[in-house]
Amino acid sequence: NAGVTQTPKFRVLKTGQSMTLLCAQDMNHEYMYWYRQDPGMGLRLIHYSVGEGTTAKGEVPDGYNVSRLKKQNFLLGLESAAPSQTSVYFCASTEAGRNQETQYFGPGTRLLVL
Amino acid sequence: AQKITQTQPGMFVQEKEAVTLDCTYDTSDPSYGLFWYKQPSSGEMIFLIYQGSYDQQNATEGRYSLNFQKARKSANLVISASQLGDSAMYFCATASNFGNEKLTFGTGTRLTIIP
Repeated sequence: NAGVTQTPKFRVLKTGQSMTLLCAQDMNHEYMYWYRQDPGMGLRLIHYSVGEGTTAKGEVPDGYNVSRLKKQNFLLGLESAAPSQTSVYFCASTEAGRNQETQYFGPGTRLLVL
Repeated sequence: AQKITQTQPGMFVQEKEAVTLDCTYDTSDPSYGLFWYKQPSSGEMIFLIYQGSYDQQNATEGRYSLNFQKARKSANLVISASQLGDSAMYFCATASNFGNEKLTFGTGTRLTIIP
């Protein structure tokens, strides 16, 4: 049981390049989230999904797009990377409509934009 | 809108002592949850403890307990008998119990345990 996995673990981009971060979960969770973590800022929500085929904006959505074509996968895209998007990105998932004892996080993706 | 405030950027505690990490929150949701996560230097987010807003008793999980004072909008984490492995960043977070359940995090407290 892998839980939540993220691909890649680390990436360096040049300004203007594009990339996609993949999040996969094997727990059959309905809800999935993308957060970014900057120094001294805690985690902030970028986008989230409450089910296959649905997405919604979070606190800091600008410059990112997401897709949830399959229930187990949640993709985060950067169309034109900027240095301000240098951050650690975390994916998380949880069951829907239940007591929230556990929200499972992936190991994170460290992104450096030069 | 929800907001979490953690006023202690860093703390140093002697090994085996108890430590309290402060967290205050602000939310307009009638039903909500409060969470604590640990982030060691390796970077992963580790769930520690959860408290529901309507829970009558404070949550406990092993050496972790949550001191929940609803009227004060306070959800402090207490770690008893601290260990060297407790050295990490600690984040308080909240989420509505209705709908999308997304988390709002505080800025964290860096805890260092001194041998």
